[in-house]
Amino acid sequence: KNEVEQSPQNLTAQEGEFITINCSYSVGISALHWLQQHPGGGIVSLFMLSSGKKKHGRLIATINIQEKHSSLHITASHPRDSAVYICAGPEETSGSRLTFGEGTQLTVNP
Amino acid sequence: NAGVMQNPRHLVRRRGQEARLRCSPMKGHSHVYWYRQLPEEGLKFMVYLQKENIIDESGMPKERFSAEFPKEGPSILRIQQVVRGDSAAYFCASSPLMNTGELFFGEGSRLTVL
Repeated sequence: KNEVEQSPQNLTAQEGEFITINCSYSVGISALHWLQQHPGGGIVSLFMLSSGKKKHGRLIATINIQEKHSSLHITASHPRDSAVYICAGPEETSGSRLTFGEGTQLTVNP
Repeated sequence: NAGVMQNPRHLVRRRGQEARLRCSPMKGHSHVYWYRQLPEEGLKFMVYLQKENIIDESGMPKERFSAEFPKEGPSILRIQQVVRGDSAAYFCASSPLMNTGELFFGEGSRLTVL
């Protein structure tokens, strides 16, 4: 079973700040997902990555498979980025089962 | 190409009734996953299905819960004799590949049991 831990649990930032959310997992995996969930809303898949770095707009995700660590960065943060960010990785014994982190509640103030 | 469609978005049931949640995957996707998010908790895997087959149901409660993905039509998560503890958001995701290739999530179905 893969344990996925995120930090911080809560993060408050001022508009324009650079934000980093971290994710660590306990077993070797081939890929990791970053998801975004707005209050009462659906889930959006932001990234699935297995190595290196991916960028989409102001969002950047990096992963270090050897160190079992991934980070999600948001540049020039905006109040509309306020959401819960969740990382998820496959369980060790089954790639079909994802284990989710508890999520990071991000609030960006204007 | 429509995204993953879930309905109903909100469902209210009384204890003992049945709840049926439907999920239509993205066009061309044959892999469907159901996840549950209890209030104030994280997402938990429930079941993984391909067309007409349950591949992994290790996250499903042993009783009252069932899932299917027929050859034609949406995937259905069925909860019989609902209890208050079943109140949660149920999310469906689909993928074109097995083993959690890139996932596309629906908006979720929020079940409230009175």
